[in-house]
Amino acid sequence: EVQLVESGGGLVQPGGSLRLSCAASGFTFSSYSMNWVRQAPGKGLEWVSYISSSSSTIYYADSVKGRFTISRDNAKNSLYLQMNSLRAEDTAVYYCARAKQWLVYYFDYWGQGTLVTVSS
Amino acid sequence: DIQMTQSPSTLSASVGDRVTITCRASQSISSWLAWYQQKPGKAPKLLIYKASSLESGVPSRFSGSGSGTEFTLTISSLQPDDFATYYCQQVRTFGQGTKVEIK
Repeated sequence: EVQLVESGGGLVQPGGSLRLSCAASGFTFSSYSMNWVRQAPGKGLEWVSYISSSSSTIYYADSVKGRFTISRDNAKNSLYLQMNSLRAEDTAVYYCARAKQWLVYYFDYWGQGTLVTVSS
Repeated sequence: DIQMTQSPSTLSASVGDRVTITCRASQSISSWLAWYQQKPGKAPKLLIYKASSLESGVPSRFSGSGSGTEFTLTISSLQPDDFATYYCQQVRTFGQGTKVEIK
């Protein structure tokens, strides 16, 4: 069974940093591209970042470029999101999502999400 | 950037109704469109990809159509489990969502 479990969320002050993790199981993690998608309270979905299976290709939304860094460790079946210079508008539930193999624009499995709250 | 606009924002319907949600792209996106269902407090679930391909395990009452700039998600006979919010997605852009409510 495919499972994605996020962790690392919490309350952080504006300007602070946080590192999210996503532990993957039930599939060959190293064969799949991965994404982070977020959802502000009561709002819609916003794609945040993409990383290819080998980490050779990485993309970011303009809203987080230069502040967030996506990475992965295929040996540990884990995906990460390092978030620096956090702002109030970064407050959201952050989901990791697996891209369908060969159709990387579509996300076929999602974690349960981890809440990040940026507030003083 | 391509913008995705869904309509309506909210839809009230009864069990058994045929329901159609529309998603419009600001420019042609061929068939690069997906639909997701999200229930409160839960992660989104992929329903349709490549505009009309049904994801494995998704009931056949869900169907997608369209290409270019206009797309539709149809639920042929609304079931109690289908009351949720639906999002279209083009690559890295999501629509604003359509909430399907009980009439």
